[in-house]
Amino acid sequence: AQSVTQPDIHITVSEGASLELRCNYSYGATPYLFWYVQSPGQGLQLLLKYFSGDTLVQGIKGFEAEFKRSQSSFNLRKPSVHWSDAAEYFCAVVRGTGGFKTIFGAGTRLFVKA
Amino acid sequence: NAGVTQTPKFQVLKTGQSMTLQCAQDMNHNSMYWYRQDPGMGLRLIYYSASEGTTDKGEVPNGYNVSRLNKREFSLRLESAAPSQTSVYFCASSEEGGQPQHFGDGTRLSIL
Repeated sequence: AQSVTQPDIHITVSEGASLELRCNYSYGATPYLFWYVQSPGQGLQLLLKYFSGDTLVQGIKGFEAEFKRSQSSFNLRKPSVHWSDAAEYFCAVVRGTGGFKTIFGAGTRLFVKA
Repeated sequence: NAGVTQTPKFQVLKTGQSMTLQCAQDMNHNSMYWYRQDPGMGLRLIYYSASEGTTDKGEVPNGYNVSRLNKREFSLRLESAAPSQTSVYFCASSEEGGQPQHFGDGTRLSIL
């Protein structure tokens, strides 16, 4: 069965420091992979997506993610974190053959300290 | 620039009461979704509608029904609310099926 694991429930980084949020997936074929961000009291916003091709994808708000098939990972990165990046981040996977069963990870809450 | 609009934003129900959560999108999207979000569990798909006139079960459909009223609107109904349905409910939409693109701000539902 498909699954998505985000190993870190929460992470704290200093403003201006770099960020990496981990995501591992379990899926037999080529997955479609996504990262979403959720600010308090709001719905999720799509940050970036990977379907195929270049394994390093760029998203909005200065985020990027790298797909590593050998490690079944799709980690989210940002070179310099801003206080406004404090939020919860969700990794998600959809079957490569389509369908409507997007599987979400449990989320990682990011805290940013001054 | 409304996007996806959910009503109500908050609701408290007693066990056994019924309620309909409303969702409307103004982006002319074909596909719409209902998710529930519970602490530590991410989002789980309740029902989805690939296009107007079609609906299908997701991961956790028990206790819920849905109606795709037209292309814009997709409602979620709890016929007999149970405490286990206390959650935050999100409606979402996308141009095509697969993954949700735009989310509403959620409905926070408490069932006593």
